[in-house]
Amino acid sequence: GAGVSQSPSNKVTEKGKDVELRCDPISGHTALYWYRQSLGQGLEFLIYFQGNSAPDKSGLPSDRFSAERTGGSVSTLTIQRTQQEDSAVYLCASSSGAGAASTDTQYFGPGTRLTVL
Amino acid sequence: AQSVSQHNHHVILSEAASLELGCNYSYGGTVNLFWYVQYPGQHLQLLLKYFSGDPLVKGIKGFEAEFIKSKFSFNLRKPSVQWSDTAEYFCAVNANTDKLIFGTGTRLQVFP
Repeated sequence: GAGVSQSPSNKVTEKGKDVELRCDPISGHTALYWYRQSLGQGLEFLIYFQGNSAPDKSGLPSDRFSAERTGGSVSTLTIQRTQQEDSAVYLCASSSGAGAASTDTQYFGPGTRLTVL
Repeated sequence: AQSVSQHNHHVILSEAASLELGCNYSYGGTVNLFWYVQYPGQHLQLLLKYFSGDPLVKGIKGFEAEFIKSKFSFNLRKPSVQWSDTAEYFCAVNANTDKLIFGTGTRLQVFP
């Protein structure tokens, strides 16, 4: 388990359904990030967790999006009442958190490809 | 608001050609700059980063990037590309916050 893992790798859902995406960061990493990559777009920041601090949710696009991080490790990104525009690849990254967040190297998972029909 | 522009969306080169991928950012203060690469079927991984010191940064696999503050640029270079460099390259900037702002990426195809 050397890297960041995400599940599922692919998720197809119907419009209006809720989905949960999971991220397992690298063991010992205290910082965890979620990003979204839509077709033809760069990576869009969604949310950031650092240790026990309140998460930075400033990137979440609407109140249908939420995320939790339990026990300082695993994180779940939940999208309620999915819409077609939510279709994207959702990437999770973690970093050691030992240095400043602004200079820490982020290690990315393989992503979850979400398709909303 | 910070933004990152990668003007080359798709670059096609033959092996041994030289590479330069453009990256410009919009932010007037201190920034930290990154290039990430995503090889086919693999995760995004860090190629190199700059946050202080020598503006010419060397990364893995022979890549380098030069930070030119006056031009708000952080272009990626490699003197001689290989077929294995075929990948998507993302420039990212962080203005001393917890957020990385990414460009839209440049797809590089190298033909033998």
